[in-house]
This record gives sequence, C-alpha cells and structure tokens, in this order.
Amino acid sequence: IAGITQAPTSQILAAGRRMTLRCTQDMRHNAMYWYRQDLGLGLRLIHYSNTAGTTGKGEVPDGYSVSRANTDDFPLTLASAVPSQTSVYFCASSDTDGTDTQYFGPGTRLTVL
Amino acid sequence: GQNIDQPTEMTATEGAIVQINCTYQTSGFNGLFWYQQHAGEAPTFLSYNVLDGLEEKGRFSSFLSRSKGYSYLLLKELQMKDSASYLCAAMDSNYQLIWGAGTKLIIKP
Repeated sequence: IAGITQAPTSQILAAGRRMTLRCTQDMRHNAMYWYRQDLGLGLRLIHYSNTAGTTGKGEVPDGYSVSRANTDDFPLTLASAVPSQTSVYFCASSDTDGTDTQYFGPGTRLTVL
Repeated sequence: GQNIDQPTEMTATEGAIVQINCTYQTSGFNGLFWYQQHAGEAPTFLSYNVLDGLEEKGRFSSFLSRSKGYSYLLLKELQMKDSASYLCAAMDSNYQLIWGAGTKLIIKP
C-alpha cells in the first residue's frame, strides 16, 4: 500500500543523545516535510525539501538537521536532544512544493528526559 | 505576523450539523486546507479552497471568503466517528502551510 512510513513509532531518549527519525515514502513525491505537534499549538514546520538534493529551514529548525539523498527518504536528526524537543513528529510529502495536498505519516512520539 | 484562529473545542449531537470557523492572516495566500485528525493518528486531508465560495464533498463542505480572511468547515449528519480534531491551515506566499491549533469536536449521542 502506497504511503509514508515513519520509524520508530515512539522513543524515550536521554538528554544529550543523538537521534535520527526515519521517514520513507513510496509515492514518488518530490516534496517532503517535517513537522512537530505540541499540545495547544498548531503543527510547526521544522525543515522541508522541495526535491531530492535540496533542503530548507522551516519555522523551528534549531537543534534539527535533515538530508535528502534520494526521493524516498527524508531523515530528521537531533544532534543533541533537549527536553524541549519532546513532541510528536510528523513527516509529510506532496507531489510538488506548490498547492498540492500534503500526506502525513503516522508520526513518532519522542520523549526527551 | 501570520496567524490562524479557530475555536479550541466544540460539542455537537449525533445527526446534527456543526460549523467550525477559521480566520487567517498570512503573508500572501495560496489557499486554505482543512484536515481531520483522530486522537493519536496522523492528519488526513479533507478539503482545499483557493477561490471564494462553497465546496461540497459528501457530508463535508468548506467555505472561503478571501476578502474576510475567513473559512468554515460544515459537517452534516454528524456521526460518532466524526469525533476528532479539525485543523485549519492557510498556505502563504512561500507555499508553506500555517496551521491553526485545531478544533476538538466532541459528538454526543
């Protein structure tokens, strides 16, 4: 079944540790996005990629990095996790970077202690 | 600044109609999206409006007024499975989505 997968589903992490959240899509979408969702706040864009080989910063990029080596994968790395990065992380993709609908993965629930 | 406002929570009765309002203020505008999100799940696409007027899709309709910076989502013949959060998102001039915090809709029998 076509779609977006994320791994892990959930993770508890000690502060200061490095963590990579994985995202893979099989829809051959050009654009991919990472959001975080916190209670009482709207989804906030962390980083995005309009096409393989390019990335850009969103609203809240500090403490996170991404890479886009190919069309399908868009990993998000926390170099040194802090408690304020406790959140639910969603990966999304869209056919292009314009007004095309964004489709979301199931999310990763991350707790940093 | 860019801002999306929508009510935090609404309650409605099974079989009834409910309207969820959203006002937006963005740098440029490239359309208004509505998503549904059940607890613990991913957001799923419901509708997209870029022109003024009403778009009907089954039990769900979405309305847009660009001059007023206003949209609403209308849900008819409410079912228990419609209990979810409804997210309003406006696309700005850079084609980035600005999201509201969501409206939690509670359906009572």
